[in-house]
Amino acid sequence: DILMTQSPSSLSASVGDRVTITCRASQGIRNDLGWYQQRPGKAPKRLIYAASSLQSGVPSRFSGSGSGREFTLTISSLQPEDFATYYCQQHNSYPLTFGGGTKVEIK
Amino acid sequence: MQLLESGGGLVQPGGSLRLSCAASEFTLSNYAMSWVRQAPGKGLEWVSDISDDGGSTYYADSVKGRFTISRDNSKNTLYLQMSSLRGEDTAIYYCAKSSGPTVTTWNSWGQGSLVTVSS
Repeated sequence: DILMTQSPSSLSASVGDRVTITCRASQGIRNDLGWYQQRPGKAPKRLIYAASSLQSGVPSRFSGSGSGREFTLTISSLQPEDFATYYCQQHNSYPLTFGGGTKVEIK
Repeated sequence: MQLLESGGGLVQPGGSLRLSCAASEFTLSNYAMSWVRQAPGKGLEWVSDISDDGGSTYYADSVKGRFTISRDNSKNTLYLQMSSLRGEDTAIYYCAKSSGPTVTTWNSWGQGSLVTVSS
């Protein structure tokens, strides 16, 4: 199984801050990775697919990068609605696996 | 593009339950579909996939042999038959739509259906 390790598991940040979340795969997964945002009590929402492609309708302050084993999700200027939990997910091989999540909280 | 799950509830250990996921505003048969679950206060866990035509299915080891994914494209509906349920199966179950005929990432999710396994 491919283990997806996200860091940090949580962070505190202020509105306007630049935030970076890292996801490392236990083996190379090319660019077979997506990022999701989940607000409390809501279903996940896809932000990024194919490691760096922005989902239609998602604000451009979100960006993804990386390939192989290391990936990042960057929020260039944190907004109040961005406080949520973020997950990475690989689809290179079965079983499909998620990172453990990064909770972004208000400082 | 909407997905609406139903069928969740309280079930005793060892019992069975069938979840349904009805699609509206798009044609289910064009897409691979999945079930993803989330135990209370925990992260996301992939459960099962089915290809667009139903010819291929995949399962997490934790549910293999106990859960069966299926689809009725004529009814635009996805199913998850769950049997021999255990306490660790307690979770919100989401159906999710892939972008194409095979599963990659999911661009549309249902609202979730809570399954509680308890005596």
